[in-house]
Amino acid sequence: NAGVTQTPKFRVLKTGQSMTLLCAQDMNHEYMYWYRQDPGMGLRLIHYSVGEGTTAKGEVPDGYNVSRLKKQNFLLGLESAAPSQTSVYFCASSYSLRTGIPTNEKLFFGSGTQLSVL
Amino acid sequence: AQSVTQLDSQVPVFEEAPVELRCNYSSSVSVYLFWYVQYPNQGLQLLLKYLSGSTLVKGINGFEAEFNKSQTSFHLRKPSVHISDTAEYFCAVTLNSGGYQKVTFGTGTKLQVIP
Repeated sequence: NAGVTQTPKFRVLKTGQSMTLLCAQDMNHEYMYWYRQDPGMGLRLIHYSVGEGTTAKGEVPDGYNVSRLKKQNFLLGLESAAPSQTSVYFCASSYSLRTGIPTNEKLFFGSGTQLSVL
Repeated sequence: AQSVTQLDSQVPVFEEAPVELRCNYSSSVSVYLFWYVQYPNQGLQLLLKYLSGSTLVKGINGFEAEFNKSQTSFHLRKPSVHISDTAEYFCAVTLNSGGYQKVTFGTGTKLQVIP
C-alpha cells in the first residue's frame, strides 16, 4: 500500500553541495515525473521518464539531472545546489500511455521533499 | 501551447457556506481536465476529472465541477464546505504529447474554511 515514496522528506544544503532525491513506486508504472512547487507558481515539471532507461527534460531542467536505472526508481540529482533550488519537490508516477490512447490517467504523487539551499 | 489560470490565490469561506474555485484554460487542442487537492504537508490527490460526456463531473468529498467549452472553464464547486476542506486546490489540463501525458498545472487556490 506504499504507492509513491520519496526520501528524504527534508534536507538543508549549503550552496555548491550535491545531493540525490530518491523516488520509488510499487505500482509498476511506466511513467515517472519530478516536479518542483514554489509559492504562486504551481507545479513545474523538471524531468520525466517514459520507461526504464529513458529520461527527458521538462519545463525547468537546468541544474538538475535524473536517472531511471530501474523501473520502480527515479532519482533527481543536484550537482551544485543553488539558493534558487530551494523548493518542495514532488515525484509522481502514472500508467503507461501510448499515442492514440486517451490521456486520462491520473498522477500518483509522493508526499514531497522540502529542500532548503543556504 | 496549453495554459491554466486560477484567478484566486486564496479563498476564505465560512463553514457550511458554498464555494466556487475558478479555473480557466487555453489550448489549441482537446484536453482533459482535472482538479487535484493538496492537504498540508502531503502530495496532491485527484479530486475529479473530466474526459468527455456529461459536463457536470462529481468527485470525492462532495465536490463537483462543470466543464464549459465555450468559456473554456472548469470551475470547482461545493454546496457546503467543512473545516476538513481546508487545503490547496490545483486545476490541471492534460493532453497527449509525443506519447506521454503532458500535464500543466495552475498556480493553485488555497481554500481556507473559517469556523
